[in-house]
Amino acid sequence: DAKTTQPPSMDCAEGRAANLPCNHSTISGNEYVYWYRQIHSQGPQYIIHGLKNNETNEMASLIITEDRKSSTLILPHATLRDTAVYYCIAHGSSNTGKLIFGQGTTLQVKP
Amino acid sequence: DGGITQSPKYLFRKEGQNVTLSCEQNLNHDAMYWYRQDPGQGLRLIYYSQIVNDFQKGDIAEGYSVSREKKESFPLTVTSAQKNPTAFYLCASSRGIPGTAGSYNEQFFGPGTRLTVL
Repeated sequence: DAKTTQPPSMDCAEGRAANLPCNHSTISGNEYVYWYRQIHSQGPQYIIHGLKNNETNEMASLIITEDRKSSTLILPHATLRDTAVYYCIAHGSSNTGKLIFGQGTTLQVKP
Repeated sequence: DGGITQSPKYLFRKEGQNVTLSCEQNLNHDAMYWYRQDPGQGLRLIYYSQIVNDFQKGDIAEGYSVSREKKESFPLTVTSAQKNPTAFYLCASSRGIPGTAGSYNEQFFGPGTRLTVL
């Protein structure tokens, strides 16, 4: 799986959009971009994934650049409950299904 | 409600004792996984299983053992050979066969078991 790079921490005001960037410049053509988040002392939660088209679900939107070297997770109206560590993972069919969790971005939503 | 359960939430053991962590899922998922998380770190894969009666080592399998006698259950034993067993242990499952990219690889995680060895 390709390595991903994320900023270690970000702040966001409650009610505003949170934009979390991720760089994956070595991503291969069959690797998807997955986002998970982990609220303190809980198991990670799947958020969204995509290959090359932008994706949206009830939790978030995922914007992937045309060259697929980076992506942005957007939480449109952040709430205090969105405070968590967000992990960006590039994952494809070349391995065992193992997800490689890096350090992630700690998002702090402030009132 | 479908989901993954892990028990207990907190577990304390004396050094040198084996301990078994429970993981049960009712999602009818084929694949199951065990991860370990240390403070401030990401998750590391211990073992995974694609199907009943089959499992493979992950990145840090030494000192651990698993079994997969039923589709729903994937218990993890932390043996006395594991040098630093104190950690947060997470179990996960996914619908598809590991290695298949795309939607089948979303992993659903349990709440975790925090093991402390005294």
